[in-house]
Amino acid sequence: ILNVEQSPQSLHVQEGDSTNFTCSFPSSNFYALHWYRWETAKSPEALFVMTLNGDEKKKGRISATLNTKEGYSYLYIKGSQPEDSATYLCALPGDKLIFGTGTRLQVFP
Amino acid sequence: DTAVSQTPKYLVTQMGNDKSIKCEQNLGHDTMYWYKQDSKKFLKIMFSYNNKELIINETVPNRFSPKSPDKAHLNLHINSLELGDSAVYFCASAGGRRYEQYFGPGTRLTVT
Repeated sequence: ILNVEQSPQSLHVQEGDSTNFTCSFPSSNFYALHWYRWETAKSPEALFVMTLNGDEKKKGRISATLNTKEGYSYLYIKGSQPEDSATYLCALPGDKLIFGTGTRLQVFP
Repeated sequence: DTAVSQTPKYLVTQMGNDKSIKCEQNLGHDTMYWYKQDSKKFLKIMFSYNNKELIINETVPNRFSPKSPDKAHLNLHINSLELGDSAVYFCASAGGRRYEQYFGPGTRLTVT
């Protein structure tokens, strides 16, 4: 059974702070990793699809890196804003998406 | 242009009733899913269909029956609703090389 772990479970930061969190996954038979952003009372929204070791993707102030050899991906948010408050999920695709438990980010003004 | 739509958005019903939730996607994807957001806010996969064929059924009670009339639709029918069925249900679709999932807005089901 694939195990996808995320840490920390929750994070509270001040507006303007930069932050990052981790997704860990089994490094064998890696195919791809997805990052999703899930705001409260909305539906998850895809942020990045990462496939290659050393990949780095960026969308505005959010970026992600991937290390398939050691089995982790980092998500970075530069200069956090209150609208970044959400749960960030990573997932491994296959017959079904195996989701991590998420990191719940709260950005205070 | 809504990519994945679900109806209804809210559903309040009594125990024992039978209800359906509809899902439609206009992305041309081959695969569709139903998820249940559990009490801890985790997403749990219930079903997956690829091109109208069931490929995943994750230990879901028989009272839940998905139906896919065509690859753009995956409806969820629930018989004899129970209090524990109260949750938010998300439909999603995926396709193409990247295979990221596109989620519908969710249906909040409340069973009283």
